[in-house]
Amino acid sequence: GEDVEQSLFLSVREGDSSVINCTYTDSSSTYLYWYKQEPGAGLQLLTYIFSNMDMKQDQRLTVLLNKKDKHLSLRIADTQTGDSAIYFCAESPLDGSGNTGKLIFGQGTTLQVKP
Amino acid sequence: ETGVTQSPTHLIKTRGQQVTLRCSSQSGHNTVSWYQQALGQGPQFIFQYYREEENGRGNFPPRFSGLQFPNYSSELNVNALELDDSALYLCASSWGGGAETQYFGPGTRLLVL
Repeated sequence: GEDVEQSLFLSVREGDSSVINCTYTDSSSTYLYWYKQEPGAGLQLLTYIFSNMDMKQDQRLTVLLNKKDKHLSLRIADTQTGDSAIYFCAESPLDGSGNTGKLIFGQGTTLQVKP
Repeated sequence: ETGVTQSPTHLIKTRGQQVTLRCSSQSGHNTVSWYQQALGQGPQFIFQYYREEENGRGNFPPRFSGLQFPNYSSELNVNALELDDSALYLCASSWGGGAETQYFGPGTRLLVL
């Protein structure tokens, strides 16, 4: 089946690191994504990782992928108040004829950054 | 480079009416995907259009339909609106069909009364 699970809420202090976790079910997914959504806005692509990678670093963002456990995490270093938003993890499962084109999203993790 | 745009930004309809939402894809992209995001939830895939053909559909009834035009812009049509159709409708563009990286527009917020 297709399902993506995330914890709903995370609160950190400004300057600390934030770690947002996600589990997914479909091992066929070739890419896994992290999107950010600010209040009243659309989704902003933060980063993605190819399924044959273990780690990807992009400035303050580090993505870790444990394909065996189907676990994905996003670490934000030196978290700032501007990072307060909802973070969505998404997988891209394959169907029998190749990519379906759909993204399966988790329910989102609200990150609160306290000054 | 022009990003993904959607219109209108907000819309209020009554139950039973029909609505058309519009999306212009990012420059250089030929694929548009539509998602429905209910309040407090993650986006749910409605369908994708690639080169003017439907290229995958989620678990949405036939009253949700779409079109893609030769310039790769797209419309989402919803007939016989229900209260549960109230949501943020997001459009995403990408290149080449499939699940290549999708870039989202700001969304259209639909309220059905």
